[in-house]
Amino acid sequence: AQSVAQPEDQVNVAEGNPLTVKCTYSVSGNPYLFWYVQYPNRGLQFLLKYITGDNLVKGSYGFEAEFNKSQTSFHLKKPSALVSDSALYFCAVRDPTQTGANNLFFGTGTRLTVIP
Amino acid sequence: KAGVTQTPRYLIKTRGQQVTLSCSPISGHRSVSWYQQTPGQGLQFLFEYFSETQRNKGNFPGRFSGRQFSNSRSEMNVSTLELGDSALYLCASSLAVTKGETQYFGPGTRLLVL
Repeated sequence: AQSVAQPEDQVNVAEGNPLTVKCTYSVSGNPYLFWYVQYPNRGLQFLLKYITGDNLVKGSYGFEAEFNKSQTSFHLKKPSALVSDSALYFCAVRDPTQTGANNLFFGTGTRLTVIP
Repeated sequence: KAGVTQTPRYLIKTRGQQVTLSCSPISGHRSVSWYQQTPGQGLQFLFEYFSETQRNKGNFPGRFSGRQFSNSRSEMNVSTLELGDSALYLCASSLAVTKGETQYFGPGTRLLVL
């Protein structure tokens, strides 16, 4: 069975400091991993994904994520946080072994607050 | 290119009624998926459609149904509404159904059941 864990419900960081939002996954085979961000009263916006290749993935708005197979992690990072980064962040996985299905399994979300 | 659009954006219904939500995917996208988002259960998968065929269905009761039209637009229907159906319903579209494909989400329809 596939699953995603976001161990922190809330992350606070000062503006200008680096930020990390953690995600670990459990899936058979090589995972397909995604990060999305949700602003209040909005849908999910795609940030980045890992399919294969380089373990460091660069995405939108200066975000990046590092895939670590041995630790089954896919943490989201940004070198310098902005107040406008404050939002709800979701990690998601797609099960590569589930044939005929393309749905995403989401973590519970991490609320990021960037303090001015 | 326009993004995924969902109508209506907000909806208030009473228990026992039925509701139909609509989703128009990004132009050229043929796959549409639906998700339910609630504070208690988080984001849960409802259905996935591709070329008018339901490919996959999540663990929801039969009251939840959907369909996709030849122009890739999709609708989902919930019959006999219950209070617990109050949620944000999100539609996502993707170009194809390969495992690496990105799903792009619409703004959602917020349903309140009274």
